[in-house]
Amino acid sequence: DAGVIQSPRHEVTEMGQEVTLRCKPISGHDYLFWYRQTMMRGLELLIYFNNNVPIDDSGMPEDRFSAKMPNASFSTLKIQPSEPRDSAVYFCASRVAGAYTDTQYFGPGTRLTVL
Amino acid sequence: AQSVTQPDIHITVSEGASLELRCNYSYGATPYLFWYVQSPGQGLQLLLKYFSGDTLVQGIKGFEAEFKRSQSSFNLRKPSVHWSDAAEYFCAVGALSAAGNKLTFGGGTRVLVKP
Repeated sequence: DAGVIQSPRHEVTEMGQEVTLRCKPISGHDYLFWYRQTMMRGLELLIYFNNNVPIDDSGMPEDRFSAKMPNASFSTLKIQPSEPRDSAVYFCASRVAGAYTDTQYFGPGTRLTVL
Repeated sequence: AQSVTQPDIHITVSEGASLELRCNYSYGATPYLFWYVQSPGQGLQLLLKYFSGDTLVQGIKGFEAEFKRSQSSFNLRKPSVHWSDAAEYFCAVGALSAAGNKLTFGGGTRVLVKP
């Protein structure tokens, strides 16, 4: 299996631009998680989906952030408009349904820089 | 709400020496505990996890961790460190929810290995 795939790996944009991050979970996984990693705040859960339905978006920082999962094999995290403080590494993770102790598998991350 | 503290931000260890990384958690119920490792530019990889049973858990790459309920700790150990163990290590606690587990991560411990 190819694992969790994220694109792009690096994104540099200017303040005010729209940014879209993409994630392909591992086939057969029913849960998908979006995390953000910064030096100041560490790893934070932004939102997670179960069977393509958003379950908990309490970690989404503000309305500029939105996430969708139109099907079981694709999710996007969009920031519009982007701001310099959004600069971070964004990770996507997925896991199977079933036991809540099952492992979350992480993608390699997207490093976002907003100038 | 659950929380995780990793008291050591950086640890430097000589190759071949033993390593212990500290993790303290706060959670009102039975914790589900994880250790992940992040190599530079990579996503997070699960080293080991604990959710019940034997309090000494064996993981990949020669790592082990011991759950001590009385101390609210889940410290990670390795008897002999290899240069390839240089990475950042994250402890996490899983919260059981109706639709799956949410992970709360500690701030991470960066391990440097001296030759």
